[in-house]
Amino acid sequence: DVKVTQSSRYLVKRTGEKVFLECVQDMDHENMFWYRQDPGLGLRLIYFSYDVKMKEKGDIPEGYSVSREKKERFSLILESASTNQTSMYLCASSLAFEKLFFGSGTQLSVL
Amino acid sequence: AQSVTQLGSHVSVSEGALVLLRCNYSSSVPPYLFWYVQYPNQGLQLLLKYTSAATLVKGINGFEAEFKKSETSFHLTKPSAHMSDAAEYFCAVSEIQGAQKLVFGQGTRLTINP
Repeated sequence: DVKVTQSSRYLVKRTGEKVFLECVQDMDHENMFWYRQDPGLGLRLIYFSYDVKMKEKGDIPEGYSVSREKKERFSLILESASTNQTSMYLCASSLAFEKLFFGSGTQLSVL
Repeated sequence: AQSVTQLGSHVSVSEGALVLLRCNYSSSVPPYLFWYVQYPNQGLQLLLKYTSAATLVKGINGFEAEFKKSETSFHLTKPSAHMSDAAEYFCAVSEIQGAQKLVFGQGTRLTINP
């Protein structure tokens, strides 16, 4: 069955820490995405990638970067975590114009 | 740029009653429209999608949605609610076919009363 795996379900970090959120898909999908989900705001796109080593900014890229060294893995990096980055982070993958497959999410708390 | 508005952050219906979740979109080109559902502690999964074929789209679990261009709407309906339908529902729009960069609405939390 299709699977998108996010490395942590819950994560607690301190302000100023560098944070890595990892996502792995086993479907050989070209496209991968990072969204953040906040109550009342829905999902907002942070970054996406349509190929290895390729990335494009989404709607809210400030304070984030990404890395895609292998097709199956897409990492989200918070260079210096801040409290306003406390959120649920969702990774997704897709083929060219097929549905998005989502991971279960990582709830990040920055204290 | 495209956008999506979901009317009502919370909707509550009785078991067996009609479910109606409202979605209006804004797009400068013919849109691709989607409904996703998120059950507690899970990621989102696709319910149904509109890609310019039939205007009435049937999805999983008895849900369907109708694309109305004149009203710029894509409302989600189910004739008879079941307790297992309790979840958060997201409408989304895309103008780009390739990478499918979606813009999501704010979400509607559906509660089913016994």
